[in-house]
Amino acid sequence: AQKITQTQPGMFVQEKEAVTLDCTYDTSDQSYGLFWYKQPSSGEMIFLIYQGSYDEQNATEGRYSLNFQKARKSANLVISASQLGDSAMYFCAMREGWGNTPLVFGKGTRLSVIA
Amino acid sequence: DTEVTQTPKHLVMGMTNKKSLKCEQHMGHRAMYWYKQKAKKPPELMFVYSYEKLSINESVPSRFSPECPNSSLLNLHLHALQPEDSALYLCASSQDQGVSTADTQYFGPGTRLTVL
Repeated sequence: AQKITQTQPGMFVQEKEAVTLDCTYDTSDQSYGLFWYKQPSSGEMIFLIYQGSYDEQNATEGRYSLNFQKARKSANLVISASQLGDSAMYFCAMREGWGNTPLVFGKGTRLSVIA
Repeated sequence: DTEVTQTPKHLVMGMTNKKSLKCEQHMGHRAMYWYKQKAKKPPELMFVYSYEKLSINESVPSRFSPECPNSSLLNLHLHALQPEDSALYLCASSQDQGVSTADTQYFGPGTRLTVL
């Protein structure tokens, strides 16, 4: 079974609008971390935001916020005031527990921002 | 700007060539990673080094040989590759593998490898 599910292969958003990228996860661990990365066409994976399973507040980093709903096992990324430079692939990822646990990625969502 | 650098940016090699990919980080991180990423797919973990020791090898074929000369450097030696090995190879580093769930991996810009 997939541990990270991103159901939107592609999305379009108008410049200056907000957009939500969906991510659901599957784990039986109580302790885990959730990450979002941005990958422009140049290839570099850029870390955007982190949410820990015990964090009570939703994480925010500038125009990025993470809508964390633990009971629903969802960790959606919200980008406010979209810019043309936000056009990229976005990956949701999770690490479970501690120790030698790998970072597991979802399949990604391609976001296109339209002027 | 990324603090993880990778060279070269692009590499074209024949199936009989030997080449190396290089990765360097100056963040004082003690864990370093190699990933392989095919087009339109998420990255796949290949190797993890923690404190300069190989801690994870995800059953990668022996034609890929990692090396960690010191805590800042990570190499990936390539020999007798196949055309299906053509991909983007990403290096990443993190503070300390697995100490906490917040241990964030920071990636380099990648090397686009083409095997002819």
